Amino acid sequence: DSGVTQTPKHLITATGQRVTLRCSPRSGDLSVYWYQQSLDQGLQFLIQYYNGEERAKGNILERFSAQQFPDLHSELNLSSLELGDSALYFCASSGRGRHGYTFGSGTRLTVV
Amino acid sequence: TQLLEQSPQFLSIQEGENLTVYCNSSSVFSSLQWYRQEPGEGPVLLVTVVTGGEVKKLKRLTFQFGDARKDSSLHITAAQPGDTGLYLCAGDPGTDKLIFGTGTRLQVFP
Repeated sequence: DSGVTQTPKHLITATGQRVTLRCSPRSGDLSVYWYQQSLDQGLQFLIQYYNGEERAKGNILERFSAQQFPDLHSELNLSSLELGDSALYFCASSGRGRHGYTFGSGTRLTVV
Repeated sequence: TQLLEQSPQFLSIQEGENLTVYCNSSSVFSSLQWYRQEPGEGPVLLVTVVTGGEVKKLKRLTFQFGDARKDSSLHITAAQPGDTGLYLCAGDPGTDKLIFGTGTRLQVFP
């Protein structure tokens, strides 16, 4: 157990639908990062939050949004889903004075 | 755009062989990390290198950070089936946002 919890582990949904992925960071970590991993593109950075505020944005589609709540958990919302959105979505957290990220086990999203 | 290119992309070897994975960029990083990812799991941090020329050893794994802090290598001695996985390098350009490499998929056969 890495200390970063992601739910659900698997999600199957139809095109056009909306889903919410949830992440609880490691205790004490203020930064949360969301990444998308597909077979042909590796780990793509989506967005970062720090203590409730958006800190950096990557290649995140307008159909996707995220937020970090006062208890530091984060949610990634994916809407108007397309087949190409099928991928593994990872959340990671980091803490002050600690190099590197701690990743969750990911959510495997399948859009059919 | 900062890119980290890893080579080789795929590596399939027999147990007991040695191997080296390379991670190259034209950009300078304040630190560089190596992760290993197994199927169905998130990447797990193996090591962080910070100083140019730094060498770190983790049992049979040796990590080196280039003198100019633009590249890194991972050497595995006497590979074992348990080393199988996706190896990812990740550079910190100083923005608190890691840039991940393209990945090297290693398969070690018994």
